[in-house]
Order: sequence, then structure tokens, then C-alpha cells
Amino acid sequence: QQQVRQSPQSLTVWEGETAILNCSYENSAFDYFPWYQQFPGEGPALLIAIRSVSDKKEDGRFTIFFNKREKKLSLHITDSQPGDSATYFCAAIMATGGNNKLTFGQGTVLSVIP
Amino acid sequence: EAAVTQSPRNKVTVTGGNVTLSCRQTNSHNYMYWYRQDTGHGLRLIHYSYGAGNLQIGDVPDGYKATRTTQEDFFLLLELASPSQTSLYFCASKTGAYAEQFFGPGTRLTVL
Repeated sequence: QQQVRQSPQSLTVWEGETAILNCSYENSAFDYFPWYQQFPGEGPALLIAIRSVSDKKEDGRFTIFFNKREKKLSLHITDSQPGDSATYFCAAIMATGGNNKLTFGQGTVLSVIP
Repeated sequence: EAAVTQSPRNKVTVTGGNVTLSCRQTNSHNYMYWYRQDTGHGLRLIHYSYGAGNLQIGDVPDGYKATRTTQEDFFLLLELASPSQTSLYFCASKTGAYAEQFFGPGTRLTVL
């Protein structure tokens, strides 16, 4: 059972466009949602994260929008750059009273064309 | 910057072979994790640990054993490797629920 789902599986945008990566989850007990960025040949690295008490989190060109009622979130990358080409993983955890296990989605492969 | 190292970086073995993957973190993190990464499945948790001597079962544990010998060292053991265990394996560590999880560079395992 896939508790965290991402779409699309792959996404191609032109340099300067906004890339939108989607994520949904099933377990309403999840309360913390980090996004990880992975370049080929490397391990994933934390990009940005949001707690369920917030509906938006910004960090430069990266913004998470969170809808608790619909159990959906999205990562917006504005002014996309070729260096943003990577795989992006949405993850979820029960940070409060949980077991410290991150559940990852399948990932979205982003390609930014110059 | 937290440091997580893995060895070997690449490993080829045969069906039925015995493999040990090693992970070391040097930041005194309590929690350590072993994942496998496969196309279409993302990162799936195999085993994890809260500290030396502790072991918790993850979501895809079949065919794998693990042991946390010290605060720093976490090992993944495949005692009878099968081709279905061909994958990219990542180790990770962190301090707490809201803390950033730091990943190692990965070990690519091929079982022929």
C-alpha cells in the first residue's frame, strides 16, 4: 500500500518556467512533510519541509503548498534552472508520538531544458 | 555538516552469496536507517535503529538482517542474496522527528 503518492512520475519544463510537483498521502496522522532532492550518483538531501499546522512554506524559489483537508501538498519551483534537474521525493512522518519513520513517495524526475 | 559514509560503493555477488553493507555516521545521531531505492518505488525502509543494540523492522525486511554495533555503525546483512535484492542501498541518520535526515552516498548491489 503506497501511503505517499507523487505525480507526475516525470516532468519537463523550460528554463524560467514554474515546475509543479504533486504529492498526496493517506494517513491523517502524518504531521511533517519534508521534500528531498536527489542528483544522479548522490544520496537524497533535504530541500524544504512543512509542518501540518502551516499551509505554505517558502525558501527562495521553492514553495510548498499544503492542504490538510484534502491530504495534498505540492512543491512549486519558480524560475526553474537547469541545475534544478533532479529527482524530488515527497516524504511524510508522524513527528508527534510516532516511530521516527519517514515514508517516501515514488519520486518525480524533473528535467529543466535550457 | 553531518557525515554518513557507506562501504563498499559497488558490490557484485552471486545468488546465494553472503553480503554485508556498512554504514558509519560521525555526528552522534540516535537514529539510523537502511533503505533500498528502485525505479518506480522510491525509497523503501528495510530496517532502522534507535541506538546501539536496538533494531526495528522496516517496511520491506524480508531477506535482510541488520545490526547496530555502536552509536556510529549500522550494518545490513544479506545472508542468501537473491537477484530481487539487486538495488541501490542508502543509509541515513538523524537526531529526532523534525530533524533533517542525512543520507550516505549509496551502495549499488548487483546479485547475479
